[in-house]
Amino acid sequence: QSVLTQPPSVSAAPGQKVTISCSGSTSNIENNYVSWYQQIPGTAPKVLIYEDNRRPSGIPDRISGSKSGTSATLGITGLQTGDEADYYCGTWDNSLRAGVFGGGTKLTVL
Amino acid sequence: QVQLVESGGGVVQPGRSLRLSCVASGFTFSNFAMHWVRQAPGKGLEWVAIISYDGSSQYYADSVEGRFTISRDDSKNTLSLQMNSLRTDDTAVYYCARESRGYTFGPGWGQGTMVTVSS
Repeated sequence: QSVLTQPPSVSAAPGQKVTISCSGSTSNIENNYVSWYQQIPGTAPKVLIYEDNRRPSGIPDRISGSKSGTSATLGITGLQTGDEADYYCGTWDNSLRAGVFGGGTKLTVL
Repeated sequence: QVQLVESGGGVVQPGRSLRLSCVASGFTFSNFAMHWVRQAPGKGLEWVAIISYDGSSQYYADSVEGRFTISRDDSKNTLSLQMNSLRTDDTAVYYCARESRGYTFGPGWGQGTMVTVSS
């Protein structure tokens, strides 16, 4: 059971937009920065978003992050088949004094 | 550009020890807390441990508390994870990650090193 809650799967057609939610609490998401990762099976997680909405260099602006209260959202527009992957959210939990992650969301581009 | 390179993984028997290292470059290592995160085969990400920027504080996941020790050597830009009393459920790819602010995860992760605990 993950501290952060993500939908197990989402899907959308090529060229469309998809959002992935990450739900937490006041001890984690509401009071700490959220990061998002893309992981293609067999490879290391790739940082897409950190500090809620900042993109590392090389990440295109069709990738976005937002946060409101105890929930965060990853948005991907102009979906491509190469976006098919597992996506994770993560942050710090002040009460647990631990890093926490969501269980992951599998994105299928139909 | 943040770069993190892990090493030290391998195959080890249950109950034995292993030491992982992570060499950092592209940023001022001594200014940031550092994490270890792991991923068991076919599973999600699991946070393991963090050490503060100055080494004065360390926190651990319950699953490794008392068995693993995180440390840092700022003179060598190196983060370490000493793993003792290894168990089969410690089998995973281990990643080091840089802090952003307030112990949250930042823009840099390594490529990982595989640890297999098996008799």
